[in-house]
Amino acid sequence: DPKIIQKPKYLVAVTGSEKILICEQYLGHNAMYWYRQSAKKPLEFMFSYSYQKLMDNQTASSRFQPQSSKKNHLDLQITALKPDDSATYFCASSRRDRNTLYFGAGTRLSVL
Amino acid sequence: QEKVQQSPESLIVPEGAMVSLNCSFSDSASQSIWWYQQHPGKGPKALISIFSNGNKKEGRLTVYLNRASLHVSLHIKDSQPSDSAVYLCAVKATGGNNKLTFGQGTVLSVIP
Repeated sequence: DPKIIQKPKYLVAVTGSEKILICEQYLGHNAMYWYRQSAKKPLEFMFSYSYQKLMDNQTASSRFQPQSSKKNHLDLQITALKPDDSATYFCASSRRDRNTLYFGAGTRLSVL
Repeated sequence: QEKVQQSPESLIVPEGAMVSLNCSFSDSASQSIWWYQQHPGKGPKALISIFSNGNKKEGRLTVYLNRASLHVSLHIKDSQPSDSAVYLCAVKATGGNNKLTFGQGTVLSVIP
């Protein structure tokens, strides 16, 4: 059974719309992250949270907003979607902010 | 900003061969270097990490780190078809927040 659940697995959106990517982890970890994998680009760090607090934000755009309603949840809201936002978004978690990262299977977002 | 370069881009080997993957990074003060395996449609999975100069062996995997030359390599002994995947080198910066900088990856195909 997957211990990090990302929903949905695939998502198609129109330019200008808003979507929320869901992430739940059942590993008992205290730190959660978002990474993005675009075509022909390396996997790229976006955000890190520890104990539901934002620790690091490497995303230049305010259109990307993480939301942590529970300790084991870290959703990602993306507003005013653009075709360049098309990518696979991976949620990850770790026991603390210095330990092994465990990744979910990703949400593949296509913006038309 | 940390830069991570991997070579080769792709590799095809017969089953049972020794596989060698290379990774160069730019910051000698990097805390640790990780190797991840990613199968199609899945999230990356951590395989092995190294912090100190020298080598580390785990099962069929051996990793070598040379901080002076900013180089790390991963060797897979007795490769299997199930080893076919993308291998990602990731460098963790000093400090917390578990921010990893990934390389572009090496696509490995092990032919039965």
